[in-house]
Amino acid sequence: NAGVTQTPKFRVLKTGQSMTLLCAQDMNHEYMYWYRQDPGMGLRLIHYSVGEGTTAKGEVPDGYNVSRLKKQNFLLGLESAAPSQTSVYFCASSYSVTNEQFFGPGTRLTVL
Amino acid sequence: AQKVTQAQTEISVVEKEDVTLDCVYETRDTTYYLFWYKQPPSGELVFLIRRNSFDEQNEISGRYSWNFQKSTSSFNFTITASQVVDSAVYFCALSEADYGGATNKLIFGTGTLLAVQP
Repeated sequence: NAGVTQTPKFRVLKTGQSMTLLCAQDMNHEYMYWYRQDPGMGLRLIHYSVGEGTTAKGEVPDGYNVSRLKKQNFLLGLESAAPSQTSVYFCASSYSVTNEQFFGPGTRLTVL
Repeated sequence: AQKVTQAQTEISVVEKEDVTLDCVYETRDTTYYLFWYKQPPSGELVFLIRRNSFDEQNEISGRYSWNFQKSTSSFNFTITASQVVDSAVYFCALSEADYGGATNKLIFGTGTLLAVQP
């Protein structure tokens, strides 16, 4: 039981490049989330999904897109990376709306 | 609007001291959940506790205890006899009910960095 995994762990991009972060969970959770963590700002929700095939915007969605084609996977895409997107990205999942969220190990992204 | 405030940015204590981390929240919902997460230097986020708005009983788990007071909108976290391994960033979070249905979106505080010196 791996829990929540994220790929890759580290990445360096140049401004304007695109990439996709992959999140996978093996706990059969319906709900999945993408957060970014910046110094002094805690974690902020980018997008979330309440089930396969559904996504919704969070607090800071601009510049990101997501897809949830399979229940166990939640992809976060950056179409044209900007230095402001340099951050640590965390994926999380939860069984229900009242349960705690389980977090992946994070992806450290640097955009030059 | 929902908001979580952790006014203590950094706290430094000496091992075996007790320390309390403050958390104050704002919400219009009558049903909500409060959480504490620990982020050690390795970076992962570790769930510590969940508390719903209808349960104001304090909770103790080993050296950890939590004091939930709706009257002051606070959910404070105390570590008794702190240890070096307790050094981490601690986040308080509030679950928000989305309009039309609950999604368990977490609103995080900015975190408190706890440094326990040997």
